[in-house]
Amino acid sequence: DIQMTQSPSSLSASVGDRVTITCRASQSISNYLNWYQQKPGKAPKLLIYAASSLQSGVPSRFSGSGSGTDFTLTISSLQPEDFATYYCQQSYSTLGTFGQGTKVEIK
Amino acid sequence: EVQLVQSGGEVKKPGESLKISCKGSGYSFTTHWIAWVRQMPGKGLELMGIIYPGDSDTRYSPSFEDQVTILADKSISTAYLQWSSLKAPDTAMYYCARHTPASYGDFLDYWGQGTLVTVSS
Repeated sequence: DIQMTQSPSSLSASVGDRVTITCRASQSISNYLNWYQQKPGKAPKLLIYAASSLQSGVPSRFSGSGSGTDFTLTISSLQPEDFATYYCQQSYSTLGTFGQGTKVEIK
Repeated sequence: EVQLVQSGGEVKKPGESLKISCKGSGYSFTTHWIAWVRQMPGKGLELMGIIYPGDSDTRYSPSFEDQVTILADKSISTAYLQWSSLKAPDTAMYYCARHTPASYGDFLDYWGQGTLVTVSS
């Protein structure tokens, strides 16, 4: 099984801050990496697929980068609606595993 | 508009059976895989398995093999997640999601609203 490890597990940030979340795979997964946002009581929402492709309708302040084993989700200027939990997911294997999540909280 | 609408929350006793549903609309249901994702209280996301409604080809994550059954009825554009004997640790939110292929892997682009299953004596 491919293990996905996110860091940090949680972070506190202010509106307007640049936020970076890291996801590391236990083996190389090329660009097979997705990012999701989940707000409390809601279903997850796809933000980024194939490591850096922005899903339709997602604000351009979200970006993804990386390949191989190390990936990054960046929020260029944090907005009030961005406070949520973020998950990476590898899609290198058919039933892709998720990271444990990173909770972004208000400072 | 693509929509996945799930059945309502359930409260069950240990040992009881259960089938929850996920109805797709706004796209070709038979040509997209459907995934089921578990989220235990306060925990992360776990992909349980996927089904291709066109021919009911089904794949299970090892942790869920023999624990649940994933089904689909393409005639009514509905996928199901079924338990024959529930246990307390099955208490969780369950999401269905459309599993879409892409040039680099695949992704879950549309999600149902979730079905909360509570198992308690």
